[in-house]
Amino acid sequence: QVQLQESGPGLVKPSETLSLSCTVSGGSIIGYYWTWIRQPPGKGLEWIANIGYTGTTDYNSSLKSRVTISLDTPKNQVSLRLNSVTAADTAVYYCARIQSPPGQHYHYMDVWGKGTSVTVSS
Amino acid sequence: DIQMTQSPASLSASVGDRVSITCRASQTIITYLNWYQQKPGEAPKLLIYAASNLQSGVPSRFSGSGSGTDFTLTISSLQREDLATYYCQQSYGSSITFGQGTRLDIK
Repeated sequence: QVQLQESGPGLVKPSETLSLSCTVSGGSIIGYYWTWIRQPPGKGLEWIANIGYTGTTDYNSSLKSRVTISLDTPKNQVSLRLNSVTAADTAVYYCARIQSPPGQHYHYMDVWGKGTSVTVSS
Repeated sequence: DIQMTQSPASLSASVGDRVSITCRASQTIITYLNWYQQKPGEAPKLLIYAASNLQSGVPSRFSGSGSGTDFTLTISSLQREDLATYYCQQSYGSSITFGQGTRLDIK
């Protein structure tokens, strides 16, 4: 079955760029949308961005100026870059697959990675 | 953006109880509403999609209902393993938002 594995630096200094990867195994990234979600310590879930296999993207308006989501099809990876990080970006970052049944307009996140913890600190 | 409001923020119930969590959207989202369960230290897990559809492998004690702006997640007979935080999430339009979560404790 499809499994997702996030990877990242763990610790990032303020004002630097955070780069995360999500490696998809057991299936292809082609044919699906993919998303990044984050969760600050002790808080709720925040959607960051989506990307489709054709390259179509959507971003959370509150993060749009700092975020880039991309696909690496040969590596079967979904990547996220977040610029100019601050302590407020400290969180567990999850990637997830978006399932959208044919002919339907609704969608949902049916497969999640275990998450990667990121701390922003000098 | 569409705001999602869950209630209650937390609740405590006994094994065997019937438990309901509500989620209200700031505008109509038809039935584009999903529910997730997040156990301590784990990633979220999909329970219900499109308001009332049970995800494969999820116990039948979980059910979802509602349409428009008001939705409910119900656990018909609470089990100890249901200790978790539950989130609703709307997928109407291109922007996704989650409710703030409902923490469920077992008495």
